[in-house]
Amino acid sequence: ETGVTQSPTHLIKTRGQQVTLRCSSQSGHNTVSWYQQALGQGPQFIFQYYREEENGRGNFPPRFSGLQFPNYSSELNVNALELDDSALYLCASSWTGTAYEQFFGPGTRLTVL
Amino acid sequence: SQQGEEDPQALSIQEGENATMNCSYKTSINNLQWYRQNSGRGLVHLILIRSNEREKHSGRLRVTLDTSKKSSSLLITASRAADTASYFCATDKSGGSYIPTFGRGTSLIVHP
Repeated sequence: ETGVTQSPTHLIKTRGQQVTLRCSSQSGHNTVSWYQQALGQGPQFIFQYYREEENGRGNFPPRFSGLQFPNYSSELNVNALELDDSALYLCASSWTGTAYEQFFGPGTRLTVL
Repeated sequence: SQQGEEDPQALSIQEGENATMNCSYKTSINNLQWYRQNSGRGLVHLILIRSNEREKHSGRLRVTLDTSKKSSSLLITASRAADTASYFCATDKSGGSYIPTFGRGTSLIVHP
């Protein structure tokens, strides 16, 4: 069984740029959720995808968007980066029937300069 | 916004001692979960307790839930240096799809 993987591990961007983060779900999982974790804070829910459709969204602006692919891998896109977007971005996958059992990837550390 | 809040923010103990951390939340929940995070990496699920349960055990972990007080506690017995990590509670609200809300966490340091 393959766990949740994320790429890249670290990323440095400048303000105004766009970034794409990737997540590969655990085998057999059809739901993926993305979280933003600022330094010293808990993870904040960005959105969730189920069967390639957005299935819930947190309090994040539209410049945060996502995709889920038929193989259940996922992307998080952030446009017009701001300094406050610097954070650890976590994805978590789960199976619909046990949605609360989320398995987290190691995260992507994004730094916006 | 943070639904859950952990207390204390930081805890420092010696190996072998017990560590207790608390979580308070604001609205009715379906489930409450505790997670561990090492050095800003991915979260590891520790234990889930449902709203109709009062206590659960898993190895050296004991979780209690008091829905009347909207609070939960995580007890780690006989702590080890490897338990050094941040601990988060996450709640999901009643009546909705599973969207967990995390607190700010408790940073636990266990000194060998």
